[in-house]
Amino acid sequence: GAGVSQTPSNKVTEKGKYVELRCDPISGHTALYWYRQSLGQGPEFLIYFQGTGAADDSGLPNDRFFAVRPEGSVSTLKIQRTERGDSAVYLCASSSSGTSYNEQFFGPGTRLTVL
Amino acid sequence: GDSVTQMEGPVTLSEEACLTINCTYTATGYPSLFWYVQYPGEGLQLLLKATKADDKGSNKGFEATYRKETTSFHLEKGSVQVSDSAVYFCALSELGAQKLVFGQGTRLTINP
Repeated sequence: GAGVSQTPSNKVTEKGKYVELRCDPISGHTALYWYRQSLGQGPEFLIYFQGTGAADDSGLPNDRFFAVRPEGSVSTLKIQRTERGDSAVYLCASSSSGTSYNEQFFGPGTRLTVL
Repeated sequence: GDSVTQMEGPVTLSEEACLTINCTYTATGYPSLFWYVQYPGEGLQLLLKATKADDKGSNKGFEATYRKETTSFHLEKGSVQVSDSAVYFCALSELGAQKLVFGQGTRLTINP
C-alpha cells in the first residue's frame, strides 16, 4: 500500500513569510509524528498526535510553530514569520499505535529553505 | 534528558569488510532501541529494533544487541556490500513516551 507522503517536497520562502507543510499518513495509522532534521544531524522530535489531538508538543521550538490534524488523518505543520534558522528537512512519520516499540514509518520529507 | 551518541563518521570500508557502528544511550527508564537507515535519495526506514535488555535485533545481515549494563546498541555486520552505503541512525523511545530520540547519524560508504 501507499506509504507516508509529504507535500511539497521542496519549499523556498522568504524570511517573515508563513508556510504550511502537509503530511498524509499511512491509512489507518492513528499515531502521527513531526520531526525536523538539520543538515548533518539526526531528526529532532517536534510533535506527536494520537488521533486528532496533540498528545505531546514538547518539541515545538516556539509559538511560531503549530500543527493540526483535524480529522485524525492528514496533518499540517504551520510555521509563522519564518526565520533563516527554520531551514531544515521536515519529516513526518506514522505508526499503527502510539507505543514506544512500534515502528514509525517515515515520509520523504519537505525541504524548507528560508531566504 | 534522554540522548543517543553515535560513532562519528564518515566511515569508509571495502566490500566484504567487517562493520561496527557504535551507539550508546542515556535514558531514565527502559527504552526500546532502534537502528534506522537512510539510503541515498530515500526516506528513513527501520533496519532493526530491540525492546528489552539482551534482545538481539537483526535484519539484512545486520545485528545489534541491547546491552543494559553498558547502555549500548552497537550495529554490526560481518561482510558489507556496496549496497549498504547509507546513513545509519541509532534511536531510542522511552517506555510510556512515543517520540524517537535520534543520534546524529553515521555515513557509511562501501567501496567495491
